[in-house]
Amino acid sequence: LAKTTQPISMDSYEGQEVNITCSHNNIATNDYITWYQQFPSQGPRFIIQGYKTKVTNEVASLFIPADRKSSTLSLPRVSLSDTAVYYCLVVRKDTGRRALTFGSGTRLQVQP
Amino acid sequence: DVKVTQSSRYLVKRTGEKVFLECVQDMDHENMFWYRQDPGLGLRLIYFSYDVKMKEKGDIPEGYSVSREKKERFSLILESASTNQTSMYLCASSEYGTGGGTEAFFGQGTRLTVV
Repeated sequence: LAKTTQPISMDSYEGQEVNITCSHNNIATNDYITWYQQFPSQGPRFIIQGYKTKVTNEVASLFIPADRKSSTLSLPRVSLSDTAVYYCLVVRKDTGRRALTFGSGTRLQVQP
Repeated sequence: DVKVTQSSRYLVKRTGEKVFLECVQDMDHENMFWYRQDPGLGLRLIYFSYDVKMKEKGDIPEGYSVSREKKERFSLILESASTNQTSMYLCASSEYGTGGGTEAFFGQGTRLTVV
Protein backbone atom coordinates (compact mmCIF):
# COMPACT_ATOMS: atom_id res chain seq x y z
CA LEU A 1 0.00 0.00 0.00
CA ALA A 2 1.06 3.57 -0.67
CA LYS A 3 3.00 5.27 2.11
CA THR A 4 1.48 8.51 3.38
CA THR A 5 3.25 11.65 4.54
CA GLN A 6 1.55 14.39 6.54
CA PRO A 7 2.76 17.20 8.82
CA ILE A 8 3.59 16.20 12.36
CA SER A 9 1.69 19.07 13.92
CA MET A 10 -0.39 22.17 13.16
CA ASP A 11 -1.71 25.04 15.24
CA SER A 12 -4.85 27.03 14.63
CA TYR A 13 -7.32 29.35 16.35
CA GLU A 14 -10.99 28.91 16.93
CA GLY A 15 -13.13 29.88 13.97
CA GLN A 16 -10.41 29.35 11.37
CA GLU A 17 -10.48 26.85 8.54
CA VAL A 18 -7.78 24.19 8.84
CA ASN A 19 -6.38 22.28 5.88
CA ILE A 20 -4.23 19.21 6.47
CA THR A 21 -2.49 17.85 3.40
CA CYS A 22 -1.37 14.27 2.97
CA SER A 23 0.86 13.01 0.20
CA HIS A 24 0.55 9.47 -1.17
CA ASN A 25 2.68 9.45 -4.30
CA ASN A 26 2.41 5.72 -4.96
CA ILE A 27 -1.34 5.43 -4.65
CA ALA A 28 -2.82 2.66 -6.79
CA THR A 29 -5.98 2.57 -8.87
CA ASN A 30 -7.74 0.41 -6.29
CA ASP A 31 -6.93 2.65 -3.33
CA TYR A 32 -9.22 4.97 -1.41
CA ILE A 33 -8.12 7.83 0.84
CA THR A 34 -9.52 7.75 4.34
CA TRP A 35 -9.12 10.06 7.33
CA TYR A 36 -9.50 9.25 11.01
CA GLN A 37 -9.58 11.50 14.06
CA GLN A 38 -8.30 10.54 17.50
CA PHE A 39 -8.94 12.38 20.75
CA PRO A 40 -6.68 11.77 23.76
CA SER A 41 -7.34 8.47 25.55
CA GLN A 42 -9.78 7.30 22.88
CA GLY A 43 -9.60 5.08 19.83
CA PRO A 44 -9.58 6.69 16.37
CA ARG A 45 -12.86 7.35 14.65
CA PHE A 46 -13.62 7.55 10.94
CA ILE A 47 -14.14 11.05 9.55
CA ILE A 48 -14.32 10.88 5.77
CA GLN A 49 -13.30 8.85 2.76
CA GLY A 50 -12.93 9.60 -0.93
CA TYR A 51 -11.62 8.32 -4.23
CA LYS A 52 -11.35 11.46 -6.35
CA THR A 53 -12.50 15.10 -6.58
CA LYS A 54 -14.36 16.34 -3.53
CA VAL A 55 -16.32 14.71 -0.75
CA THR A 56 -18.14 16.61 1.99
CA ASN A 57 -19.97 15.49 5.09
CA GLU A 58 -21.14 17.17 8.28
CA VAL A 59 -17.66 17.06 9.79
CA ALA A 60 -15.19 17.82 7.00
CA SER A 61 -14.41 18.06 3.31
CA LEU A 62 -11.87 16.01 1.44
CA PHE A 63 -10.22 17.36 -1.70
CA ILE A 64 -8.41 14.97 -4.04
CA PRO A 65 -6.75 16.29 -7.21
CA ALA A 66 -6.92 14.45 -10.50
CA ASP A 67 -3.54 12.73 -10.08
CA ARG A 68 -4.58 11.50 -6.60
CA LYS A 69 -1.02 11.81 -5.31
CA SER A 70 -2.17 13.99 -2.44
CA SER A 71 -5.34 14.86 -0.56
CA THR A 72 -6.42 17.67 1.73
CA LEU A 73 -8.69 17.35 4.73
CA SER A 74 -10.49 20.61 5.36
CA LEU A 75 -12.09 21.40 8.72
CA PRO A 76 -14.30 24.48 8.51
CA ARG A 77 -14.34 26.90 11.45
CA VAL A 78 -12.54 24.74 13.99
CA SER A 79 -13.34 24.84 17.69
CA LEU A 80 -11.35 23.76 20.74
CA SER A 81 -13.01 20.35 20.53
CA ASP A 82 -11.33 19.72 17.17
CA THR A 83 -7.98 19.43 18.96
CA ALA A 84 -6.96 15.88 18.07
CA VAL A 85 -4.62 13.77 15.98
CA TYR A 86 -5.70 13.30 12.35
CA TYR A 87 -4.56 10.27 10.37
CA CYS A 88 -4.51 9.92 6.61
CA LEU A 89 -4.74 6.34 5.36
CA VAL A 90 -4.69 4.69 1.95
CA VAL A 91 -7.05 1.73 1.89
CA ARG A 92 -7.25 -0.87 -0.87
CA LYS A 93 -10.74 -1.68 -2.09
CA ASP A 94 -10.24 -4.96 -3.88
CA THR A 95 -10.02 -7.24 -0.92
CA GLY A 96 -12.08 -7.67 2.19
CA ARG A 97 -9.03 -8.82 4.07
CA ARG A 98 -8.15 -5.27 4.82
CA ALA A 99 -5.66 -4.21 7.46
CA LEU A 100 -5.51 -0.49 8.11
CA THR A 101 -2.03 1.00 8.32
CA PHE A 102 -1.75 4.17 10.38
CA GLY A 103 1.18 6.56 10.32
CA SER A 104 2.02 9.02 13.07
CA GLY A 105 -0.72 11.46 12.09
CA THR A 106 -0.98 15.24 12.38
CA ARG A 107 -1.49 16.68 15.83
CA LEU A 108 -3.85 19.66 15.53
CA GLN A 109 -3.91 22.11 18.42
CA VAL A 110 -6.73 24.67 18.38
CA GLN A 111 -6.21 27.71 20.55
CA PRO A 112 -8.92 30.03 21.87
CA ASP B 1 -25.11 2.12 18.33
CA VAL B 2 -22.14 0.13 17.09
CA LYS B 3 -19.79 -1.09 19.73
CA VAL B 4 -16.32 -2.49 20.18
CA THR B 5 -15.69 -3.29 23.81
CA GLN B 6 -12.33 -4.01 25.37
CA SER B 7 -12.42 -5.92 28.61
CA SER B 8 -10.24 -3.56 30.64
CA ARG B 9 -9.46 0.12 30.52
CA TYR B 10 -6.35 -0.17 32.69
CA LEU B 11 -4.21 -3.18 33.54
CA VAL B 12 -1.05 -3.60 35.60
CA LYS B 13 0.83 -6.87 35.20
CA ARG B 14 4.17 -8.22 36.32
CA THR B 15 7.04 -9.14 34.05
CA GLY B 16 6.74 -12.73 32.90
CA GLU B 17 2.99 -12.99 33.41
CA LYS B 18 0.72 -14.28 30.66
CA VAL B 19 -1.69 -11.50 29.78
CA PHE B 20 -5.01 -11.72 27.94
CA LEU B 21 -6.62 -8.68 26.36
CA GLU B 22 -10.17 -9.32 25.23
CA CYS B 23 -12.17 -7.51 22.57
CA VAL B 24 -15.81 -8.04 21.62
CA GLN B 25 -17.75 -6.42 18.78
CA ASP B 26 -21.50 -6.51 18.24
CA MET B 27 -21.60 -5.57 14.54
CA ASP B 28 -21.07 -9.03 13.02
CA HIS B 29 -17.87 -7.77 11.41
CA GLU B 30 -15.53 -10.20 9.74
CA ASN B 31 -12.31 -8.21 10.25
CA MET B 32 -10.82 -7.55 13.66
CA PHE B 33 -7.53 -5.87 14.52
CA TRP B 34 -5.15 -5.31 17.40
CA TYR B 35 -2.93 -2.24 17.47
CA ARG B 36 -0.59 -0.76 20.00
CA GLN B 37 -0.01 2.94 20.31
CA ASP B 38 3.07 4.57 21.77
CA PRO B 39 3.95 8.28 21.93
CA GLY B 40 5.42 9.50 18.67
CA LEU B 41 4.90 6.16 16.90
CA GLY B 42 1.23 6.32 15.94
CA LEU B 43 -0.76 3.09 15.77
CA ARG B 44 1.12 -0.05 14.85
CA LEU B 45 -0.67 -3.17 13.73
CA ILE B 46 0.09 -6.29 15.78
CA TYR B 47 -2.28 -8.86 14.28
CA PHE B 48 -5.51 -8.96 12.37
CA SER B 49 -8.12 -11.59 11.70
CA TYR B 50 -10.48 -11.78 8.72
CA ASP B 51 -12.48 -14.80 9.85
CA VAL B 52 -12.90 -17.20 12.74
CA LYS B 53 -9.63 -19.03 13.42
CA MET B 54 -7.88 -17.01 10.68
CA LYS B 55 -5.15 -14.54 11.50
CA GLU B 56 -2.35 -12.62 9.85
CA LYS B 57 0.68 -10.98 11.34
CA GLY B 58 0.88 -7.22 11.29
CA ASP B 59 3.96 -5.07 11.54
CA ILE B 60 5.00 -5.97 15.11
CA PRO B 61 3.77 -9.48 16.02
CA GLU B 62 6.81 -10.53 18.06
CA GLY B 63 5.92 -11.35 21.64
CA TYR B 64 2.20 -11.56 20.90
CA SER B 65 -0.30 -14.15 19.78
CA VAL B 66 -4.02 -13.95 19.06
CA SER B 67 -7.09 -16.12 19.23
CA ARG B 68 -10.38 -15.87 17.37
CA GLU B 69 -12.64 -18.77 18.26
CA LYS B 70 -15.87 -16.84 17.74
CA LYS B 71 -16.66 -14.15 15.21
CA GLU B 72 -17.41 -11.49 17.78
CA ARG B 73 -14.35 -11.99 19.97
CA PHE B 74 -10.66 -11.38 19.28
CA SER B 75 -8.11 -11.92 22.02
CA LEU B 76 -4.56 -10.64 22.20
CA ILE B 77 -2.17 -12.72 24.28
CA LEU B 78 1.15 -11.66 25.70
CA GLU B 79 2.81 -14.98 26.39
CA SER B 80 5.37 -13.55 28.83
CA ALA B 81 4.86 -9.87 29.46
CA SER B 82 7.86 -7.59 29.34
CA THR B 83 8.29 -3.95 30.26
CA ASN B 84 8.65 -2.95 26.60
CA GLN B 85 5.08 -4.10 26.09
CA THR B 86 3.81 -1.31 28.30
CA SER B 87 1.52 0.55 25.92
CA MET B 88 -2.01 1.50 24.91
CA TYR B 89 -3.67 -1.39 23.09
CA LEU B 90 -6.52 -0.72 20.69
CA CYS B 91 -8.91 -3.21 19.16
CA ALA B 92 -10.92 -2.46 16.02
CA SER B 93 -13.34 -4.19 13.68
CA SER B 94 -14.62 -3.63 10.15
CA GLU B 95 -16.81 -5.26 7.55
CA TYR B 96 -15.45 -7.64 4.92
CA GLY B 97 -16.48 -5.36 2.09
CA THR B 98 -14.99 -5.12 -1.36
CA GLY B 99 -16.86 -2.06 -2.56
CA GLY B 100 -14.36 0.35 -1.16
CA GLY B 101 -12.47 0.96 2.03
CA THR B 102 -14.76 0.18 4.91
CA GLU B 103 -14.93 2.11 8.13
CA ALA B 104 -13.16 0.62 11.14
CA PHE B 105 -14.65 0.98 14.61
CA PHE B 106 -12.32 1.16 17.58
CA GLY B 107 -12.64 0.23 21.21
CA GLN B 108 -11.76 2.64 24.00
CA GLY B 109 -8.32 1.14 24.49
CA THR B 110 -6.54 -0.76 27.25
CA ARG B 111 -3.62 0.92 28.91
CA LEU B 112 -1.30 -1.89 29.96
CA THR B 113 1.57 -1.31 32.35
CA VAL B 114 4.09 -4.10 32.86
CA VAL B 115 6.17 -3.71 36.00
